[in-house]
Amino acid sequence: AQSVAQPEDQVNVAEGNPLTVKCTYSVSGNPYLFWYVQYPNRGLQFLLKYITGDNLVKGSYGFEAEFNKSQTSFHLKKPSALVSDSALYFCAVRFMDSNYQLIWGAGTKLIIKP
Amino acid sequence: DAMVIQNPRYQVTQFGKPVTLSCSQTLNHNVMYWYQQKSSQAPKLLFHYYDKDFNNEADTPDNFQSRRPNTSFCFLDIRSPGLGDAAMYLCATSSGGGTTDTQYFGPGTRLTVL
Repeated sequence: AQSVAQPEDQVNVAEGNPLTVKCTYSVSGNPYLFWYVQYPNRGLQFLLKYITGDNLVKGSYGFEAEFNKSQTSFHLKKPSALVSDSALYFCAVRFMDSNYQLIWGAGTKLIIKP
Repeated sequence: DAMVIQNPRYQVTQFGKPVTLSCSQTLNHNVMYWYQQKSSQAPKLLFHYYDKDFNNEADTPDNFQSRRPNTSFCFLDIRSPGLGDAAMYLCATSSGGGTTDTQYFGPGTRLTVL
């Protein structure tokens, strides 16, 4: 079955340190991968996506993600965390045989401590 | 700026009293989606419209209905809200529903059922 996993419910990082939020997927074809961020009582904001091409994708607010086909991963990264990055992060994937529906990870709560 | 707008941001209703949530978009996108999100969980797709074509997810309760009178507006009707329907309701849009499409979300409506 096609699925997305975010193995960490919560990630704690000190301000100024690099951060990584993990995402892995299980797929029977080529995936299209997305990251969204959600601040409290707000909708989801699109950060970045991987469709094809360069495995390193750059997105909004200084975030980037690396697509690794052999490890079936799409981890979200940022070189230097800000307190304002504290939020809920969702990884989502769409497969070639599904032209609209996103399969969502469970979400990872990112806490950046001053 | 082009955007997805949801009204109201907060809605309180009584058990069994019908309620309508509103979504509008200035992106001129063909596809509009309604999601339900509970307690910081992953959003759950209820249904979507591709233009006027309505697509209901198999597990969406009959209590939930939707209308899309024109390209810009989409409504979510909950005919007889139960306590279990208390949630954040998210509207999203995408340009054409293709595999590489990005979904853009509104700020959400938080529904409370008393």
